[in-house]
Amino acid sequence: RKEVEQDPGPFNVPEGATVAFNCTYSNSASQSFFWYRQDCRKEPKLLMSVYSSGNEDGRFTAQLNRASQYISLLIRDSKLSDSATYLCVVNMDTGANNLFFGTGTRLTVIP
Amino acid sequence: NAGVTQTPKFRILKIGQSMTLQCTQDMNHNYMYWYRQDPGMGLKLIYYSVGAGITDKGEVPNGYNVSRSTTEDFPLRLELAAPSQTSVYFCASSTRQGTTYEQYFGPGTRLTVT
Repeated sequence: RKEVEQDPGPFNVPEGATVAFNCTYSNSASQSFFWYRQDCRKEPKLLMSVYSSGNEDGRFTAQLNRASQYISLLIRDSKLSDSATYLCVVNMDTGANNLFFGTGTRLTVIP
Repeated sequence: NAGVTQTPKFRILKIGQSMTLQCTQDMNHNYMYWYRQDPGMGLKLIYYSVGAGITDKGEVPNGYNVSRSTTEDFPLRLELAAPSQTSVYFCASSTRQGTTYEQYFGPGTRLTVT
């Protein structure tokens, strides 16, 4: 089983739609969780951290379910500029070398 | 701050050649990392460093070497390049806040070995 698994998509949604991505992780002792955004041929950039209580940043909401070992990202009112690949990232323990990246979910927002 | 910078942006190597990928960060981060990203795959950790003078292997270290003589610089050396090393290489740095390492990435180096 992969450390971090994501649905690769692609997700093609119209502008204004709500879209949700899920990600599962294998290690129940995982410590911290993130969503990164990666534009085509660019580097990954931190979108948001995921906290146990869930957190929101504008149109983006991230949630963590430790019992089921998954995290989610919800994007409301999708914009064309949201088109990108979204990477789920999990820190498996307290070590600096234990950050595992999912393969990413590709989102295309259509006019 | 420039953040994390990498050079070169692109490079084509012949099989058996060697090269060094440069990485510099100006955020005074202790932790630095080298990843490779193959098409359709997640980032794989090659080497990492928790501070100047300290380096350690990641998940896919074979064929690579690193050094960390200063906090700012973390070069990656490829010896005897092979086609399997064709990839996009990202350098990253982070600081630690509790158990969290938020990583900041450089723009990447696209390497082709033919």
